[in-house]
Amino acid sequence: DGGITQSPKYLFRKEGQNVTLSCEQNLNHDAMYWYRQDPGQGLRLIYYSQIVNDFQKGDIAEGYSVSREKKESFPLTVTSAQKNPTAFYLCASSTRIAGVDNEQFFGPGTRLTVL
Amino acid sequence: GNSVTQMEGPVTLSEEAFLTINCTYTATGYPSLFWYVQYPGEGLQLLLKATKADDKGSNKGFEATYRKETTSFHLEKGSVQVSDSAVYFCALVSTSYGKLTFGQGTILTVHP
Repeated sequence: DGGITQSPKYLFRKEGQNVTLSCEQNLNHDAMYWYRQDPGQGLRLIYYSQIVNDFQKGDIAEGYSVSREKKESFPLTVTSAQKNPTAFYLCASSTRIAGVDNEQFFGPGTRLTVL
Repeated sequence: GNSVTQMEGPVTLSEEAFLTINCTYTATGYPSLFWYVQYPGEGLQLLLKATKADDKGSNKGFEATYRKETTSFHLEKGSVQVSDSAVYFCALVSTSYGKLTFGQGTILTVHP
C-alpha cells in the first residue's frame, strides 16, 4: 500500500538536544511538507520541498532544519534553537506543489515532548 | 495573503443531529477549497474538495459548496454519527501561492 510513514510516534527530548523526525513516502510524489500542530492553532507550515535537493522555508522555520537527499525522504531536525518545540508534527506529500488540484496526503504524525 | 477562518468550537451534538461548520476565506487568485478530517491521534485525511465556484464536494454524507460571492465553504451533514467525532479543518490552495493554508480546526463531539 502506498502512503506516508513517520517515526517515531512519540518522542521525548531533553532541553538543549537536537532531535530528528523521520518522514518517508512511497507515493512517488515530488513535493513534501512539514507542519506543526498546536492546540487551537491549526497547522502551520515549517518547511516544504518541491524536488530533491531543494527546499524552502515556510511560515515558522526558525529553529528547524530539513534535507531532501532522496525523493522518498524528508527528515526534519528540531534544533535546540527552537524555543517551544513541544507539539504534534505532521509530514505530508503531493504530486506537485502548485496547481488547483494539489491534494496533500498526510502521515500519522509524531508527538514531540521536551522534558 | 491567504487566510481561512472557521467557526469557533468545540461543537457538541447528539447522534442524528444536523451539522454545520462554517468556513470563510480570503485568497488571491482562484483558490481550490478543501475539508480535512483528523481522528484522535492520527494525521489528516482529505474529506472533500471543490476546485471552482458553485462546485459541491461530497463524501461520506458530508457536503460543502464553493460560494465565491460569500467567500465561504461551509461543511454540512444531515445526520451525524458517533464515529464522526473528530477535528475538521477547512483549507485552501491558491494558484498564485501554491501551498495549503489551513483554518484553526473545529472539534466535533457526537454523543449517542
